[in-house]
Amino acid sequence: SQLAEENLWALSVHEGESVTVNCSYKTSITALQWYRQKSGEGPAQLILIRSNEREKRNGRLRATLDTSSQSSSLSITATRCEDTAVYFCATGSGTYQRFGTGTKLQVVP
Amino acid sequence: DMKVTQMPRYLIKRMGENVLLECGQDMSHETMYWYRQDPGLGLQLIYISYDVDSNSEGDIPKGYRVSRKKREHFSLILDSAKTNQTSVYFCASSLWANTGQLYFGEGSKLTVL
Repeated sequence: SQLAEENLWALSVHEGESVTVNCSYKTSITALQWYRQKSGEGPAQLILIRSNEREKRNGRLRATLDTSSQSSSLSITATRCEDTAVYFCATGSGTYQRFGTGTKLQVVP
Repeated sequence: DMKVTQMPRYLIKRMGENVLLECGQDMSHETMYWYRQDPGLGLQLIYISYDVDSNSEGDIPKGYRVSRKKREHFSLILDSAKTNQTSVYFCASSLWANTGQLYFGEGSKLTVL
């Protein structure tokens, strides 16, 4: 069962543009994580944001968390071709984390 | 070195054969996981292991079993593989199960004919 869900299946942007991926979830959480998975690789964590935090940054990445609407967003500024990947949110509630189905982002030159 | 290693990376089996996927981690993490990934379905948790011989079912355990006899090693076993178990399988480890960062292996692509 998917307790977290990204809101768009796929996005395409031009290099240098900014992009936002959104995620909604269904239960109360202790933390939410964003992962990126490049083709042929396993997912890698980008940002962890705890339920008492509203925003977290990591270089060109910015994650927000709104626990009242049970949603999160991941923004990437100044996108590069190497940002092409599938982006997942994962929610921690209960005994383990569950992943959304992912948003496929393509950054074109 | 903070690495999760999966073997084999690619495997082709016939329906009814047994499959063993192996995973190792060098971070002394207590918690390890097996996920499968199918197009459009994201990552689905098969089993979670909280430590040696302390394993629990995830969301889709049917048709799978696991073994963890050493903290750094976690195996996924398919007894009599089925064609619908064709998938990419990922092993992961973390310090904590609920909020810890997951470190993933590169995946094992299994094809069952």
